[in-house]
Amino acid sequence: EAQVTQNPRYLITVTGKKLTVTCSQNMNHEYMSWYRQDPGLGLRQIYYSMNVEVTDKGDVPEGYKVSRKEKRNFPLILESPSPNQTSLYFCASSLSPGLRETQYFGPGTRLLVL
Amino acid sequence: SQQGEEDPQALSIQEGENATMNCSYKTSINNLQWYRQNSGRGLVHLILIRSNEREKHSGRLRVTLDTSKKSSSLLITASRAADTASYFCATDANYGQNFVFGPGTRLSVLP
Repeated sequence: EAQVTQNPRYLITVTGKKLTVTCSQNMNHEYMSWYRQDPGLGLRQIYYSMNVEVTDKGDVPEGYKVSRKEKRNFPLILESPSPNQTSLYFCASSLSPGLRETQYFGPGTRLLVL
Repeated sequence: SQQGEEDPQALSIQEGENATMNCSYKTSINNLQWYRQNSGRGLVHLILIRSNEREKHSGRLRVTLDTSKKSSSLLITASRAADTASYFCATDANYGQNFVFGPGTRLSVLP
């Protein structure tokens, strides 16, 4: 089944404790991205990747890192989480960049930073 | 900055009625997509409309695009309780390299 998976689905952590949210897709998609969703603000793009080893900042990259060592995986790293990073996070992938293609979304990761 | 803005923010209708949501954007686009999100879950793609298209249909969905007004509308006909969700438009920016979503319209369809 074609899908985007994220882990963990729920995470409670404390300020400053490094964490990684994994994202994996099985559709051989080139384009992957991370979003955060906050009430009243909709989805905001954090980082995106056009292909392996090619990543770029989205609208709200501060406090986040990503890597794209393999085509299927695009982990989101919070080196020193802070309470303002409490949010719902989504990973997405598409065959190629641009809105020519459908984006497929993962189920989301709900993060609480205390 | 938000490229797309949906309107209204919230909409409540009775089952069987039609629901119309609008999306306005600021800069020129190549493509526009509409997505649905059931509470707290991932977004699901509904329909894509390209800048050279004016109208597209998919089942009970009808999307229009007016590039002169920089706006799009999503019409759901004969709504059902299962249509209760948030609806987002997404536009491409930065030469199509990243997507910008609006804050969404929350649709409630009452049985």
